[in-house]
Amino acid sequence: KNEVEQSPQNLTAQEGEFITINCSYSVGISALHWLQQHPGGGIVSLFMLSSGKKKHGRLIATINIQEKHSSLHITASHPRDSAVYICAVQPMDSNYQLIWGAGTKLIIKP
Amino acid sequence: GAVVSQHPSRVICKSGTSVKIECRSLDFQATTMFWYRQFPKQSLMLMATSNEGSKATYEQGVEKDKFLINHASLTLSTLTVTSAHPEDSSFYICSAKRTASNSPLHFGNGTRLTVT
Repeated sequence: KNEVEQSPQNLTAQEGEFITINCSYSVGISALHWLQQHPGGGIVSLFMLSSGKKKHGRLIATINIQEKHSSLHITASHPRDSAVYICAVQPMDSNYQLIWGAGTKLIIKP
Repeated sequence: GAVVSQHPSRVICKSGTSVKIECRSLDFQATTMFWYRQFPKQSLMLMATSNEGSKATYEQGVEKDKFLINHASLTLSTLTVTSAHPEDSSFYICSAKRTASNSPLHFGNGTRLTVT
């Protein structure tokens, strides 16, 4: 079993839909990252969370440390949101050596 | 704008040659930088942790003599793929963090290496 599990693996939705991507992990962590990887490969760091909830524009990320679970939400989704979304956790005392999820490929259709 | 610049974005080289990839933090000092490799349809794998002024720490299975990492200044780390082989063809990405312990990672846009 992977230490970081993302679901779903693939998600296709219509423009405007509310999107949720889930991440579960099995190790103790000091932080969790949500990243976006575009088809060209470039990676953008969306959020770094250690507790609670963060919001940036149409993106919302939540984390429940007790349940070892995080969600990434996209409101009013748009075709430009199409990308691979990756969850990565930073184990305690790991000095940023992240454990990566496999990613969720999101396609938003106009 | 981008805070980490990675260059080149794409490189094609012949088998046996060496390729250098640069990772620069543009507006902050990065005492630690990370190098990752991503094979098609697979997740990123950490190759090594680069610390300014000291030797890089390589992950298990990564050949340090093949993947030379130099972090000579607080804003620049380089990865040199020596004597490249077709199986080294991959997507290489660097990331950097500011000195403060809780600072987020910033990623470069990656380098697509193709060895012919």
